[in-house]
Amino acid sequence: RKEVEQDPGPFNVPEGATVAFNCTYSNSASQSFFWYRQDCRKEPKLLMSVYSSGNEDGRFTAQLNRASQYISLLIRDSKLSDSATYLCVVNRGDFNKFYFGSGTKLNVKP
Amino acid sequence: ETGVTQSPTHLIKTRGQQVTLRCSSQSGHNTVSWYQQALGQGPQFIFQYYREEENGRGNFPPRFSGLQFPNYSSELNVNALELDDSALYLCASSSDAAGGYNEQFFGPGTRLTVL
Repeated sequence: RKEVEQDPGPFNVPEGATVAFNCTYSNSASQSFFWYRQDCRKEPKLLMSVYSSGNEDGRFTAQLNRASQYISLLIRDSKLSDSATYLCVVNRGDFNKFYFGSGTKLNVKP
Repeated sequence: ETGVTQSPTHLIKTRGQQVTLRCSSQSGHNTVSWYQQALGQGPQFIFQYYREEENGRGNFPPRFSGLQFPNYSSELNVNALELDDSALYLCASSSDAAGGYNEQFFGPGTRLTVL
């Protein structure tokens, strides 16, 4: 079983839509969680950390459910510039090793 | 811009050759991690260097090796290249190896093609 699993998509949504991605992780000892964004042929860039209490950054909201071992990302009022692959990342606390999901592709259309 | 730099940006090699990739970490960061990203996949952890020593390794064979220098820059060496080594190699820097809570910041990557 993979450490981190994501629906690869693609999610095709119109501008202004709300879209949500989920990600599940297999190791209950996982300690820290992140969402990264990756544009085509570019490096991953940190979008936001995910805290136990949930956190929001503008149009983006991240939630963590430790009991069910999943993380979610909600994007409101989607923009064309949100089109990218969103990578779910988990760290078990073992020497800062990151486990990446395969990514969920989002296409926001006019 | 994260301040993490990598060189070269692109590289073409043939099977059996050896390659060295370089990474300069962000100012103030003492930890460098290397990842391999195949097309359509998420990055896979190769290994991490902290204070010039290997500080953890993923499921990669010994022909993948590395170094970290006193200024925290790092090299990834791959010997006896195979076709499946073709990928984007990403370097990420962070500020501390302990705790596992620290965000990592990625360089632009080196795209390696093995023919």
